[in-house]
Order: sequence, then C-alpha cells, then structure tokens
Amino acid sequence: EVQLVESGGGLIQPGGSLRLSCAASDFTVSGNYMSWVRQAPGKGLEWVSAIYREGWTYYADSVKGRFTISRESSNNTLYLQMNSLRAEDTALYYCRGVAAPPVDYWGQGTLVTVSS
Amino acid sequence: DIQMTQSPSSLSASVGDRVTITCRASQAISNYLAWYQKKPGKVPKVLIYATSTLQSGVPSRFSGSGSGTDFTLTISGLQPEDVGTYYCQGYNRAPPGTFGQGTKVDIK
Repeated sequence: EVQLVESGGGLIQPGGSLRLSCAASDFTVSGNYMSWVRQAPGKGLEWVSAIYREGWTYYADSVKGRFTISRESSNNTLYLQMNSLRAEDTALYYCRGVAAPPVDYWGQGTLVTVSS
Repeated sequence: DIQMTQSPSSLSASVGDRVTITCRASQAISNYLAWYQKKPGKVPKVLIYATSTLQSGVPSRFSGSGSGTDFTLTISGLQPEDVGTYYCQGYNRAPPGTFGQGTKVDIK
C-alpha cells in the first residue's frame, strides 16, 4: 500500500527556516511527479512547489526564492526547504505524488505555524 | 502561469438536486483539467482528471465537461456525503496551474 508520510512541521518564528520531509513507501519519489500543496487555516488549497520525474522544479510566486524542493533517491524522500518564513506561510502542508495512469496519492499533512 | 477562476464560491442545494460548478482557465489548457473534493480534516481527493475521466471509485453522479478555457463539474443528485469544498486545477504544462479558489457545497 502506498504511503506518503510528512514530517518536519512545527512552530517557527518569522524569518526562520524549516525543512519538511515526505517519506514514501511503495511509491518511487524520483520516478514520478511530486508536489507540495498547502492549506492555510480557513483558506483554499494552494499549490506550492513541484518536481517532475525529469528533475524540473517549479514554485508558486508566493514562495519563489525562499523555498526549495528536492528529492533523495537513496531514502525515497521528498523535501521542502523553507527559508525566510512569514506568517502567511502558516498552513497544513501536504505532500502529493502522481503516478500513471494517473493515480493520486496524498500524505496526511504536516502543520507549519509561523508566529512570534 | 495558468490561473483558475471558479464560480460560485459557495452554494446550498437540496438532496437530489443537480449541482453545477464552473471553472475558467486564464489560457487554453486543452482537456487537462482536474477536480478535487476536500472535506474538513480529510485529505484532498481527486474526483475527475482529463476534464471528464472519473477516478476509480468515484460515484457516477459526478461528471465533468468542457475544453479550452471553460469547464464544468456536475453532481447529478446531490447526496449528504457530497458536502465539502470542490477545487479545479489545470495541468497541461509545467508548472501545474493554480487551484481555483474553491466552491463550498452545503445541503439546504
């Protein structure tokens, strides 16, 4: 059974950094499209960043220059390095993987709270 | 980047009603449009991809149509378990498009 398990969220002060992880089982992170999607309290879904099988990476304008998506094949894990965090980055962050034909998998999310 | 505009932002309908949600893309995306259902405390669930292809396990009362820039999600016979927020997303090229702002569906 495919599982995506996020970790690394928590309470962080504005300007701080966090690294989110998404450990996958029965799903190859490097072989599929992976993305981070977030939902701020009371708000809608927001696409944050994506990495394609080919290695292309993309970011929402709201996080460009501050967040970096990456993956590690050796431990089959997706990462999101988040720097210069702001209050508006407070959200539940979901890891999402899409495999052909397409089949969609989501983690349960990890909560990031940016507050002083 | 592709921007998606959904309407209405919310709706309230009776059980058994036909419900329609529309989504407009800022540029033509062929048929590369997906619909998601999000319930509080639950993970988003993809209902439809490629405009009209039902994801496995999704009830047949859900259907999608459209092409180019204008798309529709229809629930034919609203059920209590359909309460939630629905989002569209275009994905015809890299990067994937943004999600629409969502349509909250309630039972009258």
